[in-house]
Amino acid sequence: DGGITQSPKYLFRKEGQNVTLSCEQNLNHDAMYWYRQDPGQGLRLIYYSQIVNDFQKGDIAEGYSVSREKKESFPLTVTSAQKNPTAFYLCASSIDHGSSQPRYGYTFGSGTRLTVV
Amino acid sequence: AQKITQTQPGMFVQEKEAVTLDCTYDTSDPSYGLFWYKQPSSGEMIFLIYQGSYDQQNATEGRYSLNFQKARKSANLVISASQLGDSAMYFCAMRGVSGSARQLTFGSGTQLTVLP
Repeated sequence: DGGITQSPKYLFRKEGQNVTLSCEQNLNHDAMYWYRQDPGQGLRLIYYSQIVNDFQKGDIAEGYSVSREKKESFPLTVTSAQKNPTAFYLCASSIDHGSSQPRYGYTFGSGTRLTVV
Repeated sequence: AQKITQTQPGMFVQEKEAVTLDCTYDTSDPSYGLFWYKQPSSGEMIFLIYQGSYDQQNATEGRYSLNFQKARKSANLVISASQLGDSAMYFCAMRGVSGSARQLTFGSGTQLTVLP
């Protein structure tokens, strides 16, 4: 079955460490996204990528970095510069980034819960 | 910039009754899509229903229907015959066709609790 796989499901980070969250999709979607969700809150966009080797900052990109070397993969690195990284991280993909057809929604992974210890 | 507003942080409904979750939006795009997602406690986001701004009829998917009132810029989700498994967080979202509006923008969510 096609879908998005996020790993690991739970991740613990020590102060000052960089950690990388994995996101892989086999839907042949062009666009991929990373969101952060804090308890009881909505989703905030961190980074998105419309095509391989291209990505743009979202609303809260500081302290995060991404790469898009393959269409299927969009890993997110939470750097030591991110002062409050404890949150739930969701990866999503879409057929494209909108163009003239807004009907394409996003398919989401099951998320990674990151905790700073 | 487009914006989604969900004014009900929490809602309770008795099992087997219907419930309406409110969503209002603001956009300058002439063409846009409205979505509802369900997020159970496990965290995954489940797509429920879609409504296009030019669709003539309100969308329906099983027990879910979308009460779309374009002039009032509202897109309320109606869940009929609530079940215990409907207890979850519900997000309204929209995307347009121009610039940053092409991203899916989410509301703050409504936590629905179905009571036995």
